[in-house]
Amino acid sequence: GAVVSQHPSRVICKSGTSVKIECRSLDFQATTMFWYRQFPKQSLMLMATSNEGSKATYEQGVEKDKFLINHASLTLSTLTVTSAHPEDSSFYICSARLTGEGWETQYFGPGTRLLVL
Amino acid sequence: GNSVTQMEGPVTLSEEAFLTINCTYTATGYPSLFWYVQYPGEGLQLLLKATKADDKGSNKGFEATYRKETTSFHLEKGSVQVSDSAVYFCALSASSGGSNYKLTFGKGTLLTVNP
Repeated sequence: GAVVSQHPSRVICKSGTSVKIECRSLDFQATTMFWYRQFPKQSLMLMATSNEGSKATYEQGVEKDKFLINHASLTLSTLTVTSAHPEDSSFYICSARLTGEGWETQYFGPGTRLLVL
Repeated sequence: GNSVTQMEGPVTLSEEAFLTINCTYTATGYPSLFWYVQYPGEGLQLLLKATKADDKGSNKGFEATYRKETTSFHLEKGSVQVSDSAVYFCALSASSGGSNYKLTFGKGTLLTVNP
């Protein structure tokens, strides 16, 4: 149980285009999902917390208008990188909080590698 | 603010060697502590956790004890296998206000186990 999927797993796009990444909790409902960014050989940096039916809470320094987050249902959150540039190339990871098991435990998706040319 | 410091890698061991990866933390209140593992090409997986002082988390032969007095949560395994080669992240979970909790990660330690 507690499986989180991400789609796509890898995406290459041209500079200036927008890319949408989906995060789904497959066998549980997730009222809260998180989006992280991981640079090579670095730790995960929390970008935003996504709550179902409400606006996402962004971490300091993360551009809200660039990284659009929508959490429309209890099993799906999306991250849209708008007008992507090469510096946005990174590994994006989502996680979902499994409330029933313990409110602070998160289960992670496999990640999406974004390359902006 | 909260922070996690773990030993820098890479760590290279021979199969059946003893493993220790040190992790210390700084946090206000009473955080929960975690070890996550990231195998090559995959996402993070929860390895073990401890939610209060003196708790010992264990899984797959790995264990770590929540030491409040030394603010540490060192990861250990008595006999590593080649399949344990991965990046290991120490993390803490603490309130960011109200009922919202955030994970703060260390930088990760790359472990390579040779046959």
